[in-house]
Amino acid sequence: DIQMTQSPSALSASIGDRVTMTCRASQSVSMWLAWYQQKLGQAPRLLIYKASILEEGVPSRFSGSGSGTEFSLTINGLQPDDVATYYCQQYNNVRTFGQGTKVEIK
Amino acid sequence: QVQLQQRGGGLLKPSETLSLTCGVYGGSFSDFYWSWVRQPPGKGLEWIGEVNRRKTVKYNPSLRSRVTISIDMSTNEFSLRVNSTTAADTAVYYCARIKDSMDVWGEGTTVVVSS
Repeated sequence: DIQMTQSPSALSASIGDRVTMTCRASQSVSMWLAWYQQKLGQAPRLLIYKASILEEGVPSRFSGSGSGTEFSLTINGLQPDDVATYYCQQYNNVRTFGQGTKVEIK
Repeated sequence: QVQLQQRGGGLLKPSETLSLTCGVYGGSFSDFYWSWVRQPPGKGLEWIGEVNRRKTVKYNPSLRSRVTISIDMSTNEFSLRVNSTTAADTAVYYCARIKDSMDVWGEGTTVVVSS
């Protein structure tokens, strides 16, 4: 099974900050990596797929990068609406989620 | 605009069978894989499995022995059954459409397994 490890598990940043979180796969998943945002009490929302493609309707301050085993999600200019937990998911070999990164406002 | 509507769930006693259905409205049903994901209270997301129109099914290896996912092309619905439930199956269960990744989600339904 492919294990996905996200870091940090939680972060606190100020409005307008650039925020980056990472996701590491236990073996290569090529570009088959998605990022989801989940706000409290809501279903997850797809942000990024194929490691770097922004889903339609997602604000351009979100971006994804990486391939193989190392990936990152960046929020360029943190907004209050971005408070959420962010999950990565590999889909190279069935599907596995990371444990999540919780983003809060300082 | 495609919408996923879930039904089922609620309170189960240990060893009972969990049964959920997800209806797909307003979009193509035959062109995609359809998936189930669950989230225990206060924890992260766990992929359960997925099915397509050809009834090709993929399961999470850790759940394979207890899970059945099926699809009904005549009603645009797909379903999840989990047998021999325990308290560890207590979670919010989501259905989702897979277009590369999970781009449309149901609202989630809570299942509690307790004696």
